Amino acid sequence: GQNIDQPTEMTATEGAIVQINCTYQTSGFNGLFWYQQHAGEAPTFLSYNVLDGLEEKGRFSSFLSRSKGYSYLLLKELQMKDSASYLCAVRLYNFNKFYFGSGTKLNVKP
Amino acid sequence: DAEITQSPRHKITETGRQVTLACHQTWNHNNMFWYRQDLGHGLRLIHYSYGVQDTNKGEVSDGYSVSRSNTEDLPLTLESAASSQTSVYFCASSVSQRPGQSYNEQFFGPGTRLTVL
Repeated sequence: GQNIDQPTEMTATEGAIVQINCTYQTSGFNGLFWYQQHAGEAPTFLSYNVLDGLEEKGRFSSFLSRSKGYSYLLLKELQMKDSASYLCAVRLYNFNKFYFGSGTKLNVKP
Repeated sequence: DAEITQSPRHKITETGRQVTLACHQTWNHNNMFWYRQDLGHGLRLIHYSYGVQDTNKGEVSDGYSVSRSNTEDLPLTLESAASSQTSVYFCASSVSQRPGQSYNEQFFGPGTRLTVL
């Protein structure tokens, strides 16, 4: 089976940096995706890692260690609009389908 | 612009009724997926399709069915709605991952909130 773990909820201050962790145990790993989901809305794609290391996209960065089954999403210079849930998803090899974690709700306070 | 739409956006029905949720995408994607999202469970895969006439069961498929008669549509049917199927339903689509291509994120529709009384 597939197992993906994320913290349920986190709180951070506007302007700060926050790291959201994701650990996974899957068979046939073929990429890790991060999605952002605001309350009442659809998930939207943020970032993708398939090789070990850091991928940077503006204020957002995502890191992957395949040997440790571990990823994190780093959000810098937090803004109030970053208050949302962040979903970690693993894609399986050759199957084009994803398994999602339960998501981490991030609360950004002034 | 290409998009993925779902209808209805909100639905209230009674236990035992048959309900069909529509999903339509204009991305020309081969892959289409149905998820349900409940508090504490995240997104769980119900059914998916890799092309016309292809359908597959996901991890929570009991009580649901899909059919794929064309590229654009993947309707989800609840044969006999139960209160446990009260949830938010998301449809998604993606291109097929091909050799040498690693990037095929899923695009999500706006969701359908279904309440079964």
